[in-house]
Parts: sequence; structure tokens; C-alpha cells
Amino acid sequence: DQQVKQNSPSLSVQEGRISILNCDYTNSMFDYFLWYKKYPAEGPTFLISISSIKDKNEDGRFTVFLNKSAKHLSLHIVPSQPGDSAVYFCAASIYGQNFVFGPGTRLSVLP
Amino acid sequence: EAQVTQNPRYLITVTGKKLTVTCSQNMNHEYMSWYRQDPGLGLRQIYYSMNVEVTDKGDVPEGYKVSRKEKRNFPLILESPSPNQTSLYFCASWGALHTGELFFGEGSRLTVL
Repeated sequence: DQQVKQNSPSLSVQEGRISILNCDYTNSMFDYFLWYKKYPAEGPTFLISISSIKDKNEDGRFTVFLNKSAKHLSLHIVPSQPGDSAVYFCAASIYGQNFVFGPGTRLSVLP
Repeated sequence: EAQVTQNPRYLITVTGKKLTVTCSQNMNHEYMSWYRQDPGLGLRQIYYSMNVEVTDKGDVPEGYKVSRKEKRNFPLILESPSPNQTSLYFCASWGALHTGELFFGEGSRLTVL
């Protein structure tokens, strides 16, 4: 049973619009959440993170929202750019000791 | 340049022939981990290490071994590879608990015939 779920395998968005990627988790002990981006033939790279004591973290065009009561987080990309086309993984950890990843969402930003 | 280096990047082998995938990091990180990526399943943790000589099983450890004799190296050993171990493997390291950001290698694509 997956502890971290990304229910949308793929998402297509027009350039300049907002991309919203969703992630749900089941373990209430998770206290740190991260988003990673992966291009083909490369390793995943860190994008943004959020601690469970916060409900929002922003870094440039990327914002992560955390709703602890719903065990849900989302990544917003505004505005979306073609270079954002990649697979996005949501990950969660307990005190940074063990990271559990979701199955990923493939984002395609159309010109 | 801070990096995690895996070798080989690509390997085709046959069932039962022992192989090792090496992983080395130059960031003096305490923590290292191995993941496999399969379609629809994302990244699943195989083994992780919190320190030299300290290793623990992840979610899918069957058929794999690891060792951590030095801080910088964390090799993944397949004693008797089988076709279900055909996958894309990633090594990762991180240096801080609770705010840890994993740094990943470029991946090793393994095919077992």
C-alpha cells in the first residue's frame, strides 16, 4: 500500500498558465515533504520542500501548499514554461531519516 | 562540484551473474540510499545507510545487499540477479536530518536477461 500517492499520472498545461500537481499521503507521522523534478536520462533534482509546521512555502514560480488535516499537498507552478516539462515526484519523510516517494506525475507544458 | 557518481550507467547481464553498482559522493554526507524506479511505481527505496557500518532495509530489499565501509561509498550488490531486477537504479545522499535534501546520481539502467 503506497504511503505517498500521486493520482494523476500525467498533466498537460498551456505555457503561461498555472500547473497544479497534487500529492496525498497516509502516514500522519510524516513531518517533511519535498518535490523533485526529473528529466529523462537524469537523476531527480530537488525543487522545493515544506515542513509540517508550515502550510505554504514559496520559491520563485514554485509554491507548495500543505493541508495536514487532509494529508494533502500540492505544487503550483506559475507561470508554467516549456522547460518545466518533466516528471514530478512528491516525497515525504519522518525526521529526514527515510524518504518515501510517490509514483510521479508527468507534466507537459505546451507552447 | 558536488555530486553523486554511479557506475556503470548502463549494464546488460544474465540471470545469476553477480554484479555491483558503485556509488560515491563527495559532499561528506552521512546518509546514503538506493532506489529503484519502475513505471507506475515511482522511486522505491531498497536500502539506506545512516552512517558507516550502519545499514537498514528499505521497502524492497529482497535480492540486494549493500555495504558502507567508507563514508563516501555505498555499493549495491546483486548476488544472483533475476529478470525482475531489471530497472533503473538511483543512489542518493543527504547530509542533514529533518531538513534533508537528497542529492541523486544520474542513474544506472540494469537489464537482466
